Amino acid sequence: KQEVTQIPAALSVPEGENLVLNCSFTDSAIYNLQWFRQDPGKGLTSLLLIQSSQREQTSGRLNASLDKSSGRSTLYIAASQPGDSATYLCAVRTSGTYKYIFGTGTRLKVLA
Amino acid sequence: GAGVSQSPRYKVAKRGQDVALRCDPISGHVSLFWYQQALGQGPEFLTYFQNEAQLDKSGLPSDRFFAERPEGSVSTLKIQRTQQEDSAVYLCASSLSPPRAENYGYTFGSGTRLTVV
Repeated sequence: KQEVTQIPAALSVPEGENLVLNCSFTDSAIYNLQWFRQDPGKGLTSLLLIQSSQREQTSGRLNASLDKSSGRSTLYIAASQPGDSATYLCAVRTSGTYKYIFGTGTRLKVLA
Repeated sequence: GAGVSQSPRYKVAKRGQDVALRCDPISGHVSLFWYQQALGQGPEFLTYFQNEAQLDKSGLPSDRFFAERPEGSVSTLKIQRTQQEDSAVYLCASSLSPPRAENYGYTFGSGTRLTVV
């Protein structure tokens, strides 16, 4: 059974810092992995989708890496801004399945 | 439409009341999912439709929960005799691909926040 863990659960950093959010999963046979952002009281916004054959994806200040063999993904946020404050969720789609399994998220607060 | 639309955005129900939550997926999307997100938790899978067929309802927590997608487009999640533990955000997601296609992710709606009092 696929299990997804995210650490840290919460993170508070000053503006301008580079930071790394971690995601680990127990079953390395995956189709893909998605990172989502969730603002308070809102739905999920997809940030990056990494396919199983890829090692990283980049979008602006965001870079996500995938190491299937070790069951890990990281989301790197460069030059953090107060507007980056949100909960970041990692979700994994195991091979042969159609549903995503989510971690419990990392609550990020970037201080001005 | 341009995105996945869910209504209502907020719903307050008295314990024992029936509720119906609507999801309007992106036009042409084959797959539709319902997830339940409790406060401080990640979303958890409830049910999956491929077009009008409900292929997996293993995540529905009890027989009070019922979902349908009769014409393969709009879906409704119905909760009968609501209880306080049903309070959560209910998220709908859709995807262009059928299950065996590997490379597509899902687009989520903004969710319906259900509060049972």
